[in-house]
Amino acid sequence: EADIYQTPRYLVIGTGKKITLECSQTMGHDKMYWYQQDPGMELHLIHYSYGVNSTEKGDLSSESTVSRIRTEHFPLTLESARPSHTSQYLCASMGQGASPLHFGNGTRLTVT
Amino acid sequence: KQEVTQIPAALSVPEGENLVLNCSFTDSAIYNLQWFRQDPGKGLTSLLLIQSSQREQTSGRLNASLDKSSGRSTLYIAASQPGDSATYLCAVPGGGGTSYGKLTFGQGTILTVHP
Repeated sequence: EADIYQTPRYLVIGTGKKITLECSQTMGHDKMYWYQQDPGMELHLIHYSYGVNSTEKGDLSSESTVSRIRTEHFPLTLESARPSHTSQYLCASMGQGASPLHFGNGTRLTVT
Repeated sequence: KQEVTQIPAALSVPEGENLVLNCSFTDSAIYNLQWFRQDPGKGLTSLLLIQSSQREQTSGRLNASLDKSSGRSTLYIAASQPGDSATYLCAVPGGGGTSYGKLTFGQGTILTVHP
């Protein structure tokens, strides 16, 4: 029933590679978010967007970057992956007002 | 800086038990509080969202209460089932308006319900 999609689900990649994690939602939500979750740890906000051409950094410092060229699409890019980037990355979106946050299934990234 | 704490960290119960998960937050000036469920290797599913003006919300066997003044919320699960096994997370937004989606999460309670 998820209306927010993340690809790939799993990614194993070598150090130094450039990667892009995809996130798309079909709900027309203006607000979108990227959270990072290390195993057994809390989620931390790394990027957010309130609409097209709007992006901001979250509370947790991240070497990744994001873009928001279309409402439905909010990709996250790592220019040069490192083992410290190994984590689960969760994309989310929210409708108007104080509505629930909808999450994708996440991308589990492993950098070797 | 908002901090969210969940107790217990893990809970294992036999099927059929009623149980309570606890969440506390340090800054009581919240606009709402959400409870989520996370299955292993998956994203989060929103279970209940309580606005700051509400005292509780119910969905099926789930009931969440909110006491803003004391900085606490509880999630009550009635007649637990093995399918309820998951990690339960509570989260509060960093502010109002456009900050509603910028959530601070607790570390979660890992629930195991055995047959």
